[in-house]
Amino acid sequence: AQSVTQLDSQVPVFEEAPVELRCNYSSSVSVYLFWYVQYPNQGLQLLLKYLSGSTLVKGINGFEAEFNKSQTSFHLRKPSVHISDTAEYFCAVRPYDNAGNMLTFGGGTRLMVKP
Amino acid sequence: DTGVSQDPRHKITKRGQNVTFRCDPISEHNRLYWYRQTLGQGPEFLTYFQNEAQLEKSRLLSDRFSAERPKGSFSTLEIQRTEQGDSAMYLCASRKAGVGNEQFFGPGTRLTVL
Repeated sequence: AQSVTQLDSQVPVFEEAPVELRCNYSSSVSVYLFWYVQYPNQGLQLLLKYLSGSTLVKGINGFEAEFNKSQTSFHLRKPSVHISDTAEYFCAVRPYDNAGNMLTFGGGTRLMVKP
Repeated sequence: DTGVSQDPRHKITKRGQNVTFRCDPISEHNRLYWYRQTLGQGPEFLTYFQNEAQLEKSRLLSDRFSAERPKGSFSTLEIQRTEQGDSAMYLCASRKAGVGNEQFFGPGTRLTVL
């Protein structure tokens, strides 16, 4: 079984400041990793994913994440946030060997960007 | 807009009533997933289909829940004898089979059971 922990339920930050949203996972098998964003009253949109290769992954809207296998982490970063980045962010994992490919999500981090 | 649509977007019902939700996936996607998201939590897997076959169900899916995907196109999720604990956002996602292919999520149906 897999589990995902997002250490911060809320992260307030001022506009144009950098931000890091933390994600740690636990799994007995190798996993793929994902970050999704959810705007109010909307579904989830994929920001980025790590499948293999370079551990630094770049996604949409200027976000990037780094996979650290030894620390079982996949933290999301952005060097300068905008008001429009205010949303809920979810980290998720999916095992390599899972035929159904269903995702296991963390509890989410609410990013609040203040002017 | 991801291309996955869900209907209705909101549903308010009284405890004990039956409700049905519909999901229309992206047309060439053979896999379809249902998730449930309660307030302040991440989505939790309920069930998935490959074409018309329902291949896996979570323990969260009690016998009051049933899902279908006739002809491998749209899917319906029915909840019978709703309870207040069923209040949640129900999310549908679809994807093409294949390593690394992402799931595309619909906007969700928000269910409120009074």
